[in-house]
Amino acid sequence: DAGITQSPRHKVTETGTPVTLRCHQTENHRYMYWYRQDPGHGLRLIHYSYGVKDTDKGEVSDGYSVSRSKTEDFLLTLESATSSQTSVYFCAISGLKVDIQYFGAGTRLSVL
Amino acid sequence: SQQGEEDPQALSIQEGENATMNCSYKTSINNLQWYRQNSGRGLVHLILIRSNEREKHSGRLRVTLDTSKKSSSLLITASRAADTASYFCAFNGGSQGNLIFGKGTKLSVKP
Repeated sequence: DAGITQSPRHKVTETGTPVTLRCHQTENHRYMYWYRQDPGHGLRLIHYSYGVKDTDKGEVSDGYSVSRSKTEDFLLTLESATSSQTSVYFCAISGLKVDIQYFGAGTRLSVL
Repeated sequence: SQQGEEDPQALSIQEGENATMNCSYKTSINNLQWYRQNSGRGLVHLILIRSNEREKHSGRLRVTLDTSKKSSSLLITASRAADTASYFCAFNGGSQGNLIFGKGTKLSVKP
């Protein structure tokens, strides 16, 4: 998966608990993205980063925060998980904003 | 929503047949891309076509782009069982110029 590692791959948690998903890249790409994928909605952008400490909101950012303290790591945090955040989360990277994106294998999150 | 629309949502064909998927969008674009997703995996880039191109080929893939109709098609020729996957179009339609993905076409190729 193009030098992108997502962890954990699967997680089950309870409503109200904090959850952090990690994306690690070895490609030194500038842009990193977090998407969620849900049936009937396709892929929707949560947050993205265009450099260390530079992040911006995507289409469905409510309830999520991100951090990027190093080029290679992009963290997605659900401060207080809700059942509506049950989804498959994908990290992606790209060299340019509208360039080809390379995806990680995904994290399947279940919030009970 | 600025999301692209793929058509059909699902397609089932026999091995050896051709598969055609369509994508429509609403904004001006710089390029349009197609991705494949096998079950339980991440998306994999297949092909990119720029707004000034009308047709592009890559192996058994042929992509066309009609910017006047704001539509694109992906043709997979001589399909194989291994082509079974979901296919997504993506274009830079977001307010911040981010890629917007369609909802996908689920292709099933039967041996």
